[in-house]
Amino acid sequence: NAGVMQNPRHLVRRRGQEARLRCSPMKGHSHVYWYRQLPEEGLKFMVYLQKENIIDESGMPKERFSAEFPKEGPSILRIQQVVRGDSAAYFCASSPVTGVYGYTFGSGTRLTVV
Amino acid sequence: GENVEQHPSTLSVQEGDSAVIKCTYSDSASNYFPWYKQELGKRPQLIIDIRSNVGEKKDQRIAVTLNKTAKHFSLHITETQPEDSAVYFCAASRRSQGNLIFGKGTKLSVKP
Repeated sequence: NAGVMQNPRHLVRRRGQEARLRCSPMKGHSHVYWYRQLPEEGLKFMVYLQKENIIDESGMPKERFSAEFPKEGPSILRIQQVVRGDSAAYFCASSPVTGVYGYTFGSGTRLTVV
Repeated sequence: GENVEQHPSTLSVQEGDSAVIKCTYSDSASNYFPWYKQELGKRPQLIIDIRSNVGEKKDQRIAVTLNKTAKHFSLHITETQPEDSAVYFCAASRRSQGNLIFGKGTKLSVKP
């Protein structure tokens, strides 16, 4: 079992560009969660998805951010028109059932906006 | 919504001593409390968790206690070792929801 896979590990974008972060859940897991970690801070929940459905996006900024988890393929977190404040580590987690038992995080994508 | 406070923000101990990290939460409906360890540049890793129907859980040198009345829970690490040095995060959640609310972390340094 390869675990939760995230790519790329590091991503550098210029201000105004788009960032696409990918997350493949563990085998058999159909629930995906995205978190953002600013330097020297804890993780902040962004969005919770099941296949083809957004369950909870209460932590997602209203503008420029979107997420999807299609029937086939990885979950994608998309940030349009990135700004310096978007620089952070973005972690994805997955679980086999609803709720938080068995939360496994991926290695994260470190986004740097220059 | 839920709010989790974590103290202290930094903690330095001598190898072999014990370390205690404390967290408080605000939502009385929260019923799941995990602790994560994060080494520099790496993913958060679940080290222990506790559900609201128990008051204490132990796993070798690590233990967690929960006081539902006071809405606080603590991580205890005994016989600390240099490899315990990391940032530790507490979190709280309602089991029925998908998201964890994290504390801001405690940077633990264990000096040999």
